[in-house]
Amino acid sequence: EAGVAQSPRYKIIEKRQSVAFWCNPISGHATLYWYQQILGQGPKLLIQFQNNGVVDDSQLPKDRFSAERLKGVDSTLKIQPAKLEDSAVYLCASSFREAEAFFGQGTRLTVV
Amino acid sequence: AQSVAQPEDQVNVAEGNPLTVKCTYSVSGNPYLFWYVQYPNRGLQFLLKYITGDNLVKGSYGFEAEFNKSQTSFHLKKPSALVSDSALYFCAVRGMNSGYSTLTFGKGTMLLVSP
Repeated sequence: EAGVAQSPRYKIIEKRQSVAFWCNPISGHATLYWYQQILGQGPKLLIQFQNNGVVDDSQLPKDRFSAERLKGVDSTLKIQPAKLEDSAVYLCASSFREAEAFFGQGTRLTVV
Repeated sequence: AQSVAQPEDQVNVAEGNPLTVKCTYSVSGNPYLFWYVQYPNRGLQFLLKYITGDNLVKGSYGFEAEFNKSQTSFHLKKPSALVSDSALYFCAVRGMNSGYSTLTFGKGTMLLVSP
């Protein structure tokens, strides 16, 4: 079974630039999550999709972050414009109903 | 709101000794509990889960965890630690929130196993 795919693995951008991350979940997993993991902290949920609908985006900084999951499969997370504090690892995960979530390898973003 | 507490930033243990990584949780209703491990520059890897049934659950790589409802705890254990177990460990809880479930993580505990 293929795992959760994320790209790119690493990204360095200057502040105020924009960046996008891509995620392809495990086939058949209706639930898709984007987490932000700042160094030394646990993953923080940014947005959760159920199929192509958003069920939780309460911690998403909506003035600069956006995400979509067209057709209920793969998803993109965008930051525009980026701030220094956005430097983190962005993790995508998927799950089948209330089962365990499976994670991709993450995208390490550095904003300089 | 649901939450997870991992009271230790770091746990040190000698190889061959038993290890325990602590986790307590707060959630409405019956909890679904999980442990994940993270190696450097990698995503989170699922270790084990408690949904229902026996309070002692067994998972990957010889790890197990004990669910204690009265103490709202879900401590991770292993009878004999290996140097290769050194990594960052996360406890997570899934609970219902306005009709859907969300997965909340603790801040993580670094496990260091010395030879």
